[in-house]
Amino acid sequence: DTGVSQDPRHKITKRGQNVTFRCDPISEHNRLYWYRQTLGQGPEFLTYFQNEAQLEKSRLLSDRFSAERPKGSFSTLEIQRTEQGDSAMYLCASSSRGSYNEQFFGPGTRLTVL
Amino acid sequence: AQTVTQSQPEMSVQEAETVTLSCTYDTSESDYYLFWYKQPPSRQMILVIRQEAYKQQNATENRFSVNFQKAAKSFSLKISDSQLGDAAMYFCASLENQGGKLIFGQGTELSVKP
Repeated sequence: DTGVSQDPRHKITKRGQNVTFRCDPISEHNRLYWYRQTLGQGPEFLTYFQNEAQLEKSRLLSDRFSAERPKGSFSTLEIQRTEQGDSAMYLCASSSRGSYNEQFFGPGTRLTVL
Repeated sequence: AQTVTQSQPEMSVQEAETVTLSCTYDTSESDYYLFWYKQPPSRQMILVIRQEAYKQQNATENRFSVNFQKAAKSFSLKISDSQLGDAAMYFCASLENQGGKLIFGQGTELSVKP
Protein backbone atom coordinates (compact mmCIF):
# COMPACT_ATOMS: atom_id res chain seq x y z
CA ASP A 1 0.00 0.00 0.00
CA THR A 2 1.68 3.15 -1.24
CA GLY A 3 -0.88 5.65 -0.02
CA VAL A 4 -2.82 8.20 -2.05
CA SER A 5 -0.89 9.44 -5.07
CA GLN A 6 -1.49 12.49 -7.21
CA ASP A 7 -0.14 13.48 -10.57
CA PRO A 8 1.31 15.90 -11.49
CA ARG A 9 2.76 17.34 -8.31
CA HIS A 10 3.18 20.74 -9.90
CA LYS A 11 1.47 22.37 -12.85
CA ILE A 12 2.12 25.79 -14.33
CA THR A 13 -0.30 26.95 -16.99
CA LYS A 14 -1.39 30.10 -18.73
CA ARG A 15 -4.75 31.67 -18.10
CA GLY A 16 -7.41 30.21 -20.34
CA GLN A 17 -5.80 26.79 -20.70
CA ASN A 18 -7.39 23.54 -19.53
CA VAL A 19 -5.69 21.35 -16.95
CA THR A 20 -6.39 17.86 -15.65
CA PHE A 21 -5.19 16.29 -12.42
CA ARG A 22 -5.23 12.65 -11.46
CA CYS A 23 -5.67 10.99 -8.08
CA ASP A 24 -5.09 7.34 -7.28
CA PRO A 25 -6.61 6.42 -3.91
CA ILE A 26 -5.46 3.71 -1.57
CA SER A 27 -6.53 0.42 -3.12
CA GLU A 28 -9.98 -0.74 -2.04
CA HIS A 29 -10.88 2.68 -0.65
CA ASN A 30 -14.29 3.28 -2.14
CA ARG A 31 -14.61 6.95 -1.19
CA LEU A 32 -12.52 9.65 -2.82
CA TYR A 33 -12.52 13.36 -2.01
CA TRP A 34 -11.18 16.50 -3.65
CA TYR A 35 -10.24 19.62 -1.68
CA ARG A 36 -8.66 22.93 -2.64
CA GLN A 37 -6.19 24.73 -0.40
CA THR A 38 -5.00 28.28 -0.98
CA LEU A 39 -1.91 29.67 0.70
CA GLY A 40 -2.31 30.11 4.43
CA GLN A 41 -5.81 28.62 4.51
CA GLY A 42 -7.36 25.33 5.45
CA PRO A 43 -8.52 22.95 2.72
CA GLU A 44 -11.99 23.55 1.27
CA PHE A 45 -14.17 20.70 0.13
CA LEU A 46 -14.88 20.44 -3.59
CA THR A 47 -16.54 17.08 -4.21
CA TYR A 48 -16.53 13.42 -3.28
CA PHE A 49 -17.30 10.02 -4.80
CA GLN A 50 -18.44 6.70 -3.52
CA ASN A 51 -17.28 4.23 -6.11
CA GLU A 52 -18.30 5.81 -9.43
CA ALA A 53 -21.07 7.97 -8.01
CA GLN A 54 -20.44 11.64 -7.28
CA LEU A 55 -22.32 12.11 -4.01
CA GLU A 56 -21.75 15.79 -3.25
CA LYS A 57 -20.43 18.88 -4.99
CA SER A 58 -19.55 22.17 -3.34
CA ARG A 59 -20.82 25.47 -4.68
CA LEU A 60 -17.12 26.24 -5.08
CA LEU A 61 -17.13 23.80 -7.98
CA SER A 62 -18.13 26.13 -10.79
CA ASP A 63 -19.14 24.85 -14.20
CA ARG A 64 -15.49 25.16 -15.26
CA PHE A 65 -14.64 22.32 -12.89
CA SER A 66 -15.52 18.70 -13.53
CA ALA A 67 -14.51 15.57 -11.67
CA GLU A 68 -14.91 11.96 -12.67
CA ARG A 69 -14.23 8.55 -11.26
CA PRO A 70 -15.24 6.33 -14.15
CA LYS A 71 -14.35 2.90 -12.82
CA GLY A 72 -14.49 3.60 -9.13
CA SER A 73 -10.71 3.61 -8.85
CA PHE A 74 -8.70 6.68 -9.87
CA SER A 75 -10.29 10.08 -10.30
CA THR A 76 -9.61 13.09 -12.49
CA LEU A 77 -10.30 16.75 -11.81
CA GLU A 78 -10.42 19.00 -14.85
CA ILE A 79 -10.42 22.78 -14.82
CA GLN A 80 -11.38 24.46 -18.06
CA ARG A 81 -10.43 28.00 -19.04
CA THR A 82 -8.22 28.43 -15.99
CA GLU A 83 -8.18 31.75 -14.16
CA GLN A 84 -5.54 33.19 -11.87
CA GLY A 85 -7.89 32.61 -8.93
CA ASP A 86 -7.65 28.88 -9.58
CA SER A 87 -4.04 28.91 -8.38
CA ALA A 88 -4.02 26.64 -5.33
CA MET A 89 -3.04 23.24 -4.01
CA TYR A 90 -5.53 20.56 -5.03
CA LEU A 91 -5.69 17.75 -2.50
CA CYS A 92 -7.15 14.31 -2.92
CA ALA A 93 -8.10 12.00 -0.06
CA SER A 94 -9.66 8.56 0.25
CA SER A 95 -11.39 6.51 2.90
CA SER A 96 -12.55 2.94 3.24
CA ARG A 97 -15.93 1.41 3.97
CA GLY A 98 -14.60 0.15 7.27
CA SER A 99 -13.52 3.61 8.41
CA TYR A 100 -15.22 6.38 6.52
CA ASN A 101 -14.29 8.79 9.27
CA GLU A 102 -10.58 8.66 8.53
CA GLN A 103 -9.50 10.32 5.30
CA PHE A 104 -5.99 9.72 4.02
CA PHE A 105 -4.54 12.56 2.01
CA GLY A 106 -2.27 12.61 -1.00
CA PRO A 107 0.64 15.04 -1.49
CA GLY A 108 -1.45 17.40 -3.61
CA THR A 109 -1.06 19.05 -6.99
CA ARG A 110 0.09 22.66 -6.88
CA LEU A 111 -1.43 24.67 -9.71
CA THR A 112 -0.05 28.03 -10.75
CA VAL A 113 -1.99 30.00 -13.34
CA LEU A 114 0.02 32.78 -14.97
CA ALA B 1 -23.77 24.77 8.36
CA GLN B 2 -20.65 23.52 10.02
CA THR B 3 -17.96 26.03 10.89
CA VAL B 4 -14.55 25.53 12.46
CA THR B 5 -12.51 28.41 13.87
CA GLN B 6 -8.87 28.48 14.89
CA SER B 7 -8.05 31.83 16.43
CA GLN B 8 -4.29 31.36 16.74
CA PRO B 9 -2.58 31.85 13.36
CA GLU B 10 0.84 31.16 14.90
CA MET B 11 2.14 29.51 18.05
CA SER B 12 5.62 28.85 19.33
CA VAL B 13 6.92 26.38 21.90
CA GLN B 14 10.26 25.49 23.35
CA GLU B 15 11.48 21.97 22.69
CA ALA B 16 10.33 19.55 25.44
CA GLU B 17 7.66 21.99 26.64
CA THR B 18 3.88 21.71 26.31
CA VAL B 19 1.69 23.72 23.99
CA THR B 20 -2.08 23.93 23.49
CA LEU B 21 -3.75 24.79 20.19
CA SER B 22 -7.31 26.08 20.30
CA CYS B 23 -10.30 25.27 18.12
CA THR B 24 -14.00 26.05 18.31
CA TYR B 25 -16.69 24.66 16.07
CA ASP B 26 -20.35 24.95 15.39
CA THR B 27 -22.74 22.25 14.29
CA SER B 28 -26.42 21.48 14.60
CA GLU B 29 -25.84 17.74 14.51
CA SER B 30 -25.63 15.45 17.53
CA ASP B 31 -23.47 12.87 15.75
CA TYR B 32 -20.17 14.26 14.55
CA TYR B 33 -16.43 13.76 14.68
CA LEU B 34 -13.56 16.13 15.30
CA PHE B 35 -10.00 15.84 14.08
CA TRP B 36 -6.60 17.44 14.29
CA TYR B 37 -4.48 17.14 11.16
CA LYS B 38 -0.80 18.02 10.81
CA GLN B 39 0.65 19.41 7.58
CA PRO B 40 4.45 19.70 7.63
CA PRO B 41 6.05 22.11 5.16
CA SER B 42 5.76 20.74 1.61
CA ARG B 43 4.49 17.43 2.91
CA GLN B 44 1.12 15.80 2.97
CA MET B 45 -1.55 16.10 5.61
CA ILE B 46 -1.64 13.39 8.25
CA LEU B 47 -4.18 12.65 10.95
CA VAL B 48 -2.94 13.37 14.46
CA ILE B 49 -5.95 12.54 16.60
CA ARG B 50 -9.70 11.93 16.33
CA GLN B 51 -12.59 12.44 18.77
CA GLU B 52 -16.09 11.01 18.45
CA ALA B 53 -18.64 13.48 19.82
CA TYR B 54 -20.61 10.80 21.64
CA LYS B 55 -17.55 9.81 23.69
CA GLN B 56 -17.05 11.79 26.87
CA GLN B 57 -13.50 10.61 27.35
CA ASN B 58 -10.87 12.80 25.73
CA ALA B 59 -8.81 11.10 23.04
CA THR B 60 -5.09 10.54 23.57
CA GLU B 61 -2.36 9.45 21.15
CA ASN B 62 1.04 9.27 22.78
CA ARG B 63 2.18 12.90 23.30
CA PHE B 64 -1.01 14.30 21.77
CA SER B 65 -4.25 14.72 23.68
CA VAL B 66 -7.42 16.74 23.29
CA ASN B 67 -9.65 18.68 25.63
CA PHE B 68 -13.15 18.20 24.22
CA GLN B 69 -15.75 20.50 25.76
CA LYS B 70 -18.97 19.57 23.99
CA ALA B 71 -21.24 22.17 25.55
CA ALA B 72 -18.77 24.93 24.79
CA LYS B 73 -18.06 23.46 21.32
CA SER B 74 -14.37 23.61 22.02
CA PHE B 75 -11.73 21.12 20.91
CA SER B 76 -8.14 21.97 21.84
CA LEU B 77 -5.00 19.97 21.12
CA LYS B 78 -2.26 19.58 23.71
CA ILE B 79 1.20 18.53 22.58
CA SER B 80 3.43 17.39 25.42
CA ASP B 81 7.23 17.12 25.32
CA SER B 82 7.32 19.05 22.04
CA GLN B 83 9.84 17.87 19.47
CA LEU B 84 11.42 19.66 16.51
CA GLY B 85 9.46 17.36 14.21
CA ASP B 86 6.19 18.72 15.57
CA ALA B 87 6.75 21.97 13.69
CA ALA B 88 3.98 22.19 11.11
CA MET B 89 0.59 23.67 10.27
CA TYR B 90 -2.12 22.15 12.41
CA PHE B 91 -5.70 22.06 11.21
CA CYS B 92 -8.78 21.38 13.25
CA ALA B 93 -11.59 19.74 11.27
CA SER B 94 -15.12 18.46 11.77
CA LEU B 95 -17.18 15.79 10.07
CA GLU B 96 -20.95 15.78 10.51
CA ASN B 97 -21.88 12.43 9.07
CA GLN B 98 -20.31 9.15 8.18
CA GLY B 99 -17.73 9.68 5.48
CA GLY B 100 -18.81 13.06 4.24
CA LYS B 101 -16.80 16.20 3.78
CA LEU B 102 -14.34 17.54 6.28
CA ILE B 103 -14.71 21.17 7.30
CA PHE B 104 -11.34 22.69 8.21
CA GLY B 105 -10.31 25.64 10.30
CA GLN B 106 -7.82 28.23 9.09
CA GLY B 107 -4.86 26.50 10.66
CA THR B 108 -2.26 27.27 13.33
CA GLU B 109 1.39 27.34 12.38
CA LEU B 110 3.44 25.80 15.17
CA SER B 111 7.14 26.47 15.46
CA VAL B 112 9.37 24.57 17.89
CA LYS B 113 12.46 26.28 19.24
CA PRO B 114 15.51 24.16 20.12
